[in-house]
Amino acid sequence: NAGVTQTPKFQVLKTGQSMTLQCAQDMNHEYMSWYRQDPGMGLRLIHYSVGAGITDQGEVPNGYNVSRSTTEDFPLRLLSAAPSQTSVYFCASSNWHEGNSPLHFGNGTRLTVT
Amino acid sequence: GENVEQHPSTLSVQEGDSAVIKCTYSDSASNYFPWYKQELGKGPQLIIDIRSNVGEKKDQRIAVTLNKTAKHFSLHITETQPEDSAVYFCAASDNNNDMRFGAGTRLTVKP
Repeated sequence: NAGVTQTPKFQVLKTGQSMTLQCAQDMNHEYMSWYRQDPGMGLRLIHYSVGAGITDQGEVPNGYNVSRSTTEDFPLRLLSAAPSQTSVYFCASSNWHEGNSPLHFGNGTRLTVT
Repeated sequence: GENVEQHPSTLSVQEGDSAVIKCTYSDSASNYFPWYKQELGKGPQLIIDIRSNVGEKKDQRIAVTLNKTAKHFSLHITETQPEDSAVYFCAASDNNNDMRFGAGTRLTVKP
């Protein structure tokens, strides 16, 4: 199993550009989520999904969209990038139906918005 | 919502010494408390977790304690080794799997 795969690893955008961060998992996990990691602030939840067709907002959802058309994929879209979105983004998944379960993280996408 | 505070933000110990990282949480509904280790350029990886019906859990050199009354939990690493150097995160979540993380502790183990 590859686990959680994120692409790209690095990305530089200009203010106002749009892009999609890809996330795929091969563990048949129902739960998937996106976090951003900023220095001194830990990991903050952006959006999450408890199954295909279901998404919900986390702690810091503004400026980001998500969709969940399949169990495996959970892309994160930035419609109009801003410098405040410069961060490292992590996708994670877990066996939500087993109650609270450990999150499995990808290796992250480092995004810089100039 | 849940708020998790983690201390210290940096910790330096000599190889072989013990390291302790402490976290507090605010939401009494939280019932799951994992600890993650993050190495440079990688995503966080689970190292140990504890649920609210347990006061202590141990896995070789790593242990976690939970005090539900005081709403705090701690990570203990004994006989530290240079490969333990990393950033450690605590987290807390309720049954909705809305997991909130502490700000992280950068642990350095000096040979």
